[in-house]
Amino acid sequence: GENVEQHPSTLSVQEGDSAVIKCTYSDSASNYFPWYKQELGKGPQLIIDIRSNVGEKKDQRIAVTLNKTAKHFSLHITETQPEDSAVYFCAASINYGQNFVFGPGTRLSVLP
Amino acid sequence: DAGVTQSPTHLIKTRGQHVTLRCSPISGHKSVSWYQQVLGQGPQFIFQYYEKEERGRGNFPDRFSARQFPNYSSELNVNALLLGDSALYLCASSLIAGSTDTQYFGPGTRLTVL
Repeated sequence: GENVEQHPSTLSVQEGDSAVIKCTYSDSASNYFPWYKQELGKGPQLIIDIRSNVGEKKDQRIAVTLNKTAKHFSLHITETQPEDSAVYFCAASINYGQNFVFGPGTRLSVLP
Repeated sequence: DAGVTQSPTHLIKTRGQHVTLRCSPISGHKSVSWYQQVLGQGPQFIFQYYEKEERGRGNFPDRFSARQFPNYSSELNVNALLLGDSALYLCASSLIAGSTDTQYFGPGTRLTVL
């Protein structure tokens, strides 16, 4: 079955710097890759997603890139702010919104 | 618009007991998925239901079961609770299973097994 790895497990950046989180997946049939942000005591919140027919997607300060050949995708956050501090999860899914497999998460700390 | 709602928020049970967790999807969403999130890990897929039928099942024992009702709400049942079942149980809804629609998560039910 699908296996998703995520690095780094923790990341500290200064406010205003950029943050990059990388994920790899094992099943070449995966075609949908969402990123979720989870704050303490809350459920995961979708922040951006990308489908396998697209190489890059951007939404304001957040961007995701996908390399299908290498089976990896990355989350880029620019101009980080303290409120970006949270745990970020990548996920992969075969057949779009079914049976997500999540990575282990990255704890991002943005230092003021 | 109301998001995905789950009840109860917190629950404490003892080993061997059973538990029922409830989820109401976003209005108009017909698919509900359940995930288990152990502290410090990513969510793990348990079940997906669409139009009251099971569409997917993760690698969980038969002690875990679920169902979806005609109004698309769902219940997750866990029998013979073990200490290792302590986790945050998340429900997610989407318009259609296996479509280009993404899943939106509820706040979860925190289950503690003593």
